[in-house]
Amino acid sequence: DGGITQSPKYLFRKEGQNVTLSCEQNLNHDAMYWYRQDPGQGLRLIYYSQIVNDFQKGDIAEGYSVSREKKESFPLTVTSAQKNPTAFYLCASRFNSGRGRSGANVLTFGAGSRLTVL
Amino acid sequence: AQSVTQPDIHITVSEGASLELRCNYSYGATPYLFWYVQSPGQGLQLLLKYFSGDTLVQGIKGFEAEFKRSQSSFNLRKPSVHWSDAAEYFCAVGRITGNQFYFGTGTSLTVIP
Repeated sequence: DGGITQSPKYLFRKEGQNVTLSCEQNLNHDAMYWYRQDPGQGLRLIYYSQIVNDFQKGDIAEGYSVSREKKESFPLTVTSAQKNPTAFYLCASRFNSGRGRSGANVLTFGAGSRLTVL
Repeated sequence: AQSVTQPDIHITVSEGASLELRCNYSYGATPYLFWYVQSPGQGLQLLLKYFSGDTLVQGIKGFEAEFKRSQSSFNLRKPSVHWSDAAEYFCAVGRITGNQFYFGTGTSLTVIP
């Protein structure tokens, strides 16, 4: 079945370390997104990418980096510059507009990765 | 600026009772509207969406939502709640171009027997 795979499910990091969260999708979706979820704050956009080798900052990009070398993959690196990285991270994807209204503009989510800084 | 408001942080209902979760949005044009559900420690699952047409939309798991343009609302309803409906519910707004989506802060639903 098609879907989005996020790994690892749980990750512990010491302060000062960079960590990379993996996001892979086999839905042939064009655009991919990273969201951060904190209790009581909903989802906040970190980065998104509409096509390979292109990505844009979201509302809270500071301390994070991404790459989009392949259509299927959109890894997120949480750098030591992120002051409060403990959170639940969600990856999502969708078809771009123009692919058909029934499928475009609908986000499909992965199961998430929980990062805890020790 | 675009925004989504879910005024109820937490709701408790009895199993079998009806449910309505509120969502109000602020948007400059006709938005795409969504309701997602999240179980603890999991990702978000789409319940239903509104793009255009009939303002009453049906979704999975017996949920429905009604778009009211005059009230800038997209409330989620279910006539009879089941214990398995206990979860976090998120309302979201999307732009026509689809570049960004804006989420509410969520409503946590508890179902008591």
